[in-house]
Amino acid sequence: EQLVESGGDLVQPGGSLRLSCAASGFTFSSYWMNWVRQVPGKGLEGVANIKQDGSEKYYVDSVKGRFTISRDNAKNSLYLQMNSLRAEDTAVYYCARRGTTGDWVASWGQGTLVTVSS
Amino acid sequence: DIQMTQSPSSVSASVGDRVTITCRASQGISSWLAWHQQKPGKAPKLLIYAASSLQSGVPSRFSGSGSGTDFTLTISSLQPEDFATYYCQQANSFPFTFGPGTKVDIK
Repeated sequence: EQLVESGGDLVQPGGSLRLSCAASGFTFSSYWMNWVRQVPGKGLEGVANIKQDGSEKYYVDSVKGRFTISRDNAKNSLYLQMNSLRAEDTAVYYCARRGTTGDWVASWGQGTLVTVSS
Repeated sequence: DIQMTQSPSSVSASVGDRVTITCRASQGISSWLAWHQQKPGKAPKLLIYAASSLQSGVPSRFSGSGSGTDFTLTISSLQPEDFATYYCQQANSFPFTFGPGTKVDIK
């Protein structure tokens, strides 16, 4: 099983960025998927998650209205569109698969770094 | 949001020691709790789910217990590869939240 994120970059405050996650080694369309972030040297925060068919999406309050999670099951891919970025969004963003029987993170990608700075 | 706390924030231990880490939820979460291990510069890794179920491939020296609001991760005999930071995660409701972490380092 593998999750590979891409798209992290240095972006100015107010800018936009789209993260991608390529999944392999498991039936992607059968699982809820998540984005989790970690400020360097700090703790972990669940950012957003999405149901298997994309019909349900949830966001942490700090990103509501600015971030959009989506998926393409035909391409085994997960996305995070990030708009109106702020300095406090600077973090490593992990793509993560939900567990089979519960909402714990069962599998993690290697992460991609997003830096918001002028 | 459910708040998660952990104690201690750090522990110094020797190879072979028994190490216990505690996690507390701000409200009852039944057994919807996981434990993750993270080594420097690496992604976290799931160790325990449903409070006490060992993830496949994880050594049996790791064990979890608890329900409701109070949970424990125990490493029965610390090995060199176990020096890392450990996070609990509640899976009861979104946003799923993590504890602040417990760093286990070499004494």
